[in-house]
Amino acid sequence: AQKITQTQPGMFVQEKEAVTLDCTYDTSDPSYGLFWYKQPSSGEMIFLIYQGSYDQQNATEGRYSLNFQKARKSANLVISASQLGDSAMYFCAMREGRGGGSNYKLTFGKGTLLTVNP
Amino acid sequence: GAVVSQHPSWVICKSGTSVKIECRSLDFQATTMFWYRQFPKKSLMLMATSNEGSKATYEQGVEKDKFLINHASLTLSTLTVTSAHPEDSSFYICSARDSSVWAEQYFGPGTRLTVT
Repeated sequence: AQKITQTQPGMFVQEKEAVTLDCTYDTSDPSYGLFWYKQPSSGEMIFLIYQGSYDQQNATEGRYSLNFQKARKSANLVISASQLGDSAMYFCAMREGRGGGSNYKLTFGKGTLLTVNP
Repeated sequence: GAVVSQHPSWVICKSGTSVKIECRSLDFQATTMFWYRQFPKKSLMLMATSNEGSKATYEQGVEKDKFLINHASLTLSTLTVTSAHPEDSSFYICSARDSSVWAEQYFGPGTRLTVT
């Protein structure tokens, strides 16, 4: 079974509108971390936001917020006020366990290609 | 912020030759580095975990003898693709974890390998 599922291969949004990118995860470990990364066409992986499994509140970073629904095992990324520069591939990733050495490895979803239209 | 560099950013080599890719943490120490592989329009797949001073831990299905990883110092890990074949052509990305703080991984800019 896939540990990270991103069901939207591609998404379109109008500039200045909000968009939600879906991510569901599967783990039996009570301690885990969820990440979102942005990958523009240049290839670099840009860290956007992080949510720990024990965090009580949803994470927010500027225009990015993470809608964390633990019981449903979902961690959707919400981008508010989309900009043309937001057009990129977006990956959801999970780290299982509390970390330490190889436990810090990430499992990535297949990604969602976001296109922001002017 | 923490910076991770990779060298070269792109490389073209002939089949049968070996190519080395370097991953450096520029402003922090990294006892653990990770090597990922990404095919066009695909996700990142973890190849191996590189620990300073010890042998790398490879993911299932990754050939250890083909993808040699050396983590000789706290700021440098290398990936050597030996006897490269066209199917090894891919985008290779490393990441490094800052050992001094409870921090997440920082990714390098990636290396595009083309084997002709």
